[in-house]
Amino acid sequence: DGGITQSPKYLFRKEGQNVTLSCEQNLNHDAMYWYRQDPGQGLRLIYYSQIVNDFQKGDIAEGYSVSREKKESFPLTVTSAQKNPTAFYLCASSRHNSPLHFGNGTRLTVT
Amino acid sequence: SQQGEEDPQALSIQEGENATMNCSYKTSINNLQWYRQNSGRGLVHLILIRSNEREKHSGRLRVTLDTSKKSSSLLITASRAADTASYFCATDNGDNYGQNFVFGPGTRLSVLP
Repeated sequence: DGGITQSPKYLFRKEGQNVTLSCEQNLNHDAMYWYRQDPGQGLRLIYYSQIVNDFQKGDIAEGYSVSREKKESFPLTVTSAQKNPTAFYLCASSRHNSPLHFGNGTRLTVT
Repeated sequence: SQQGEEDPQALSIQEGENATMNCSYKTSINNLQWYRQNSGRGLVHLILIRSNEREKHSGRLRVTLDTSKKSSSLLITASRAADTASYFCATDNGDNYGQNFVFGPGTRLSVLP
């Protein structure tokens, strides 16, 4: 079955460490996205990529970095510069002008 | 910026009752989408309504769109305990890919058995 896989489901890190969240899709979608969700909040866009080797900042990109070396993969690195990294991170993909398909998220806790 | 705003923030009903959630937005849109999120999971797309449509049905779901009032509603009929989830609206201004989707904070629906 086609879908989006995020790993790991839970991630714990010490403050000051960088951490990379994985997102892989086999839907052959061109576009991929990273969202952040805080408790009781909507989704906020971190980064998006419309095509391989290209990506753009979203609304809250500071403290995050991404790469898009393959169509299927869009990893997100949460750097030590992100002041409040503890959150639920969602990866999504889409075709042009189509709804988003989401992974099941990674819950990151930084202490 | 948050454009879609769902109302109410939380809704608790008995199984078998209908549930209505509303979404308001601020700027012109190409389409509006409703998503569902079970606790601790990703969002699942439910239904999309285009700006030139007024009503759309999918199973027990009915969505209306009033572009003059910049609002939409999602009706779930004959609710079941399995409908317990958060529901989000997302507006799309139609520029290229989904990077322009704007999600509201969601409505938390609890359906009591």
